[in-house]
Amino acid sequence: DSGVTQTPKHLITATGQRVTLRCSPRSGDLSVYWYQQSLDQGLQFLIQYYNGEERAKGNILERFSAQQFPDLHSELNLSSLELGDSALYFCASSVVGKGGELFFGEGSRLTVL
Amino acid sequence: AQTVTQSQPEMSVQEAETVTLSCTYDTSESDYYLFWYKQPPSRQMILVIRQEAYKQQNATENRFSVNFQKAAKSFSLKISDSQLGDAAMYFCAKDSGAGSYQLTFGKGTKLSVIP
Repeated sequence: DSGVTQTPKHLITATGQRVTLRCSPRSGDLSVYWYQQSLDQGLQFLIQYYNGEERAKGNILERFSAQQFPDLHSELNLSSLELGDSALYFCASSVVGKGGELFFGEGSRLTVL
Repeated sequence: AQTVTQSQPEMSVQEAETVTLSCTYDTSESDYYLFWYKQPPSRQMILVIRQEAYKQQNATENRFSVNFQKAAKSFSLKISDSQLGDAAMYFCAKDSGAGSYQLTFGKGTKLSVIP
């Protein structure tokens, strides 16, 4: 158990819909990262938050947004869903500093029909 | 944009034998971290080993070791005394080197362990 909790584990929805994925980082970790794992694109960095503020952005679509709340949990919002958004979405957290280990949650499997 | 390449989509190894997974990367930075992550069927990403580019000595973690060739931008993973539990997808990754913990991952190598 990494200590990072993601909900829901599985989610099936239809095109055009909106979903919210939730992540609770390890106790004490201030940074939260979102990654998308799909068959064609592999694992891609989406966005990072540090103590409530956006720190870095990767290949995140405009239809996607995220935030980190004062209690440090984070949410990834995916809207106007398309078939190609079907993927495994990982949240990870880390201690501050380069080279620290990234602790991944078990992921949320999103299926868009 | 930096790239991480794993040229072996699949590999297999006999139980108790040794296997080496390859990884090359592209970067213009001098200081960065490299990682190998394991993703078993349970799908959780687990850190296997990491290497700081400034350290000459290759990292070792029990049965796992790396061969880090900085000039060649090569970072291979050696698994000794392979066990059935080592069967998984293995991903090579590199950080952004910019202080932010963004990782660029390779496409992965699926390792099968034959009893």
